[in-house]
Amino acid sequence: EPEVTQTPSHQVTQMGQEVILRCVPISNHLYFYWYRQILGQKVEFLVSFYNNEISEKSEIFDDQFSVERPDGSNFTLKIRSTKLEDSAMYFCASRVNQPQHFGDGTRLSIL
Amino acid sequence: AQSVTQLGSHVSVSEGALVLLRCNYSSSVPPYLFWYVQYPNQGLQLLLKYTSAATLVKGINGFEAEFKKSETSFHLTKPSAHMSDAAEYFCAVSLSFGNEKLTFGTGTRLTIIP
Repeated sequence: EPEVTQTPSHQVTQMGQEVILRCVPISNHLYFYWYRQILGQKVEFLVSFYNNEISEKSEIFDDQFSVERPDGSNFTLKIRSTKLEDSAMYFCASRVNQPQHFGDGTRLSIL
Repeated sequence: AQSVTQLGSHVSVSEGALVLLRCNYSSSVPPYLFWYVQYPNQGLQLLLKYTSAATLVKGINGFEAEFKKSETSFHLTKPSAHMSDAAEYFCAVSLSFGNEKLTFGTGTRLTIIP
């Protein structure tokens, strides 16, 4: 069965550095999402992406965040200047219809 | 806006006993509802979904849930718990149109007692 693939599985970055989290959604999917889960907390919506543009973003998704689908297969989340509070598990998801299919996540640790 | 409330952040049941995890939702329009399971250090795996078809939904691993509009509930049940069911369970809601982003509950950690 096709899967959503996320790389790397764990990213350690110094505060203030830029980080790019990568996702390969399922190939025929049209809607793409990023969520995050701070340790011990619930999963929170960050952004949705459809037809090569952001369709909705949460208040968490401020100017330091950006998303891109640079080619036909990758979907990336960039954090420009990381903060300690960005430490979390980041999940990518994709769908054509419901449900959304999730990747295994990238654990981002900011030092 | 939609929201989800999961009653009980931790639930413990004996192996072989009934599993009942509670979820209540709030939505201004007919919702889609989901249960996801998360094993340690893993991603979110779909257990089952309600998308306005049958109100009793059967999922993987013997789980099922019933959509009750009058009670705004979507509780998850399994007749007989197995040790492998120990995990974190998340209820989620989305609108039935638009980008259909998911709004998650705070999760319930299920422990199975041997």
